[in-house]
Amino acid sequence: GAVVSQHPSWVICKSGTSVKIECRSLDFQATTMFWYRQFPKQSLMLMATSNEGSKATYEQGVEKDKFLINHASLTLSTLTVTSAHPEDSSFYICSARDLPSYEQYFGPGTRLTVT
Amino acid sequence: DAKTTQPPSMDCAEGRAANLPCNHSTISGNEYVYWYRQIHSQGPQYIIHGLKNNETNEMASLIITEDRKSSTLILPHATLRDTAVYYCIVRVVDDKIIFGKGTRLHILP
Repeated sequence: GAVVSQHPSWVICKSGTSVKIECRSLDFQATTMFWYRQFPKQSLMLMATSNEGSKATYEQGVEKDKFLINHASLTLSTLTVTSAHPEDSSFYICSARDLPSYEQYFGPGTRLTVT
Repeated sequence: DAKTTQPPSMDCAEGRAANLPCNHSTISGNEYVYWYRQIHSQGPQYIIHGLKNNETNEMASLIITEDRKSSTLILPHATLRDTAVYYCIVRVVDDKIIFGKGTRLHILP
């Protein structure tokens, strides 16, 4: 089956610094990738839709200047959390949409802890 | 907003069939019913999907009512590894996935 990887799987950073999370589709090309955030004991919340070669589309209430998304190739999207604060600590999950099936495959997630 | 309603939690004895219900009374004609699950601290895993016919794969069966307003996911022989949060999602096939609160399934030894 299609595989999506994320790197790193977990990261600890200090408040005020930026951290980049990578999402890769390993055996298929994905023109569209999605980024989700999940707080403890809550459901996944869609943050943004990432389209290869164009600007990401952010969901209402998500700060685009804080969560920078780049989708520079058909197999890689990155999420950069800028000037991270402890409230940004969360589980970040990406998914990649395969064409022509339109099926979405999820990555294993990245746990971010901001101290 | 999620278009589905699921019970917040359910218990099932190991080895028995787990039947997870989902209500989706406002489903449109071109929307599919998808089921995913999320084991603790992992990414969601696709289980099964269907439009109007019942579907079965190696993981589960999906029973959709004739009016398509509700469905049931059946795990035929639940094991401890099936303990997870199960999400029922309705969507057009090329649309983004919006997660509701899901059902937390506990498999009891």
